[in-house]
Amino acid sequence: QSALTQPASVSGSPGQSITISCTGTSSDVGAYSYVSWYQQHPGKAPKLMIYEVTNRPSGVSNRFSGSKSGNTASLTISGLQAEDEADYYCSSYTTSSTRVFGGGTTLTVL
Amino acid sequence: EVQLVQSGAEVKKPGESLKISCKGSEYSFGSYWIAWVRQMPGKGLECMGIIYPGDSDTRYSPSFQGQVTISADKSISTAYLQWSSLKASDTAIYYCARSRTPVDAFDIWGQGTMVTVSS
Repeated sequence: QSALTQPASVSGSPGQSITISCTGTSSDVGAYSYVSWYQQHPGKAPKLMIYEVTNRPSGVSNRFSGSKSGNTASLTISGLQAEDEADYYCSSYTTSSTRVFGGGTTLTVL
Repeated sequence: EVQLVQSGAEVKKPGESLKISCKGSEYSFGSYWIAWVRQMPGKGLECMGIIYPGDSDTRYSPSFQGQVTISADKSISTAYLQWSSLKASDTAIYYCARSRTPVDAFDIWGQGTMVTVSS
């Protein structure tokens, strides 16, 4: 199972919005609504930010939103803040009954 | 507070065996799946496999089948990841993470266990 494809890096200025894409296939992202997004700060464990494509866990800012179209899922962060600077990973359940992650995207807040 | 607490960092030599642990607290440990996720130095996340402590139903990702063993002891709310013969390429941080079902997102993560394999 190949990793999902994410851009290696994205950047934005405070207050701006950015979108991170996550491209898979009809065997993973395109097959189910079980796409999730995780935030990982350096030296820390990942944190769940979005589950089932669009849902935010309790406590996660509504500046974070998710969507999906076909085989590509997206994470949008609006009103960028310095604390959003981190690595972001998407993940999807697959038709092989496994979980696959994206390669990760480093977000830099300029 | 619901949490997963992992065992401490390990330094091992190639060929040695190792078993690391992940203890859950403040929730019904046997009712949630526990996954093990590898993160090699400077790299991304990889799901190694997942276990349901309630009945020890275990599912491995193809890349890790036969390379590691995942187990759990519901009576002490602890899941395990073990190697019988470590390789230098096993050097990584290993996270355990909880999910409600095999398809759901991982909502709670352990703090990670750094495993270093070096001669």
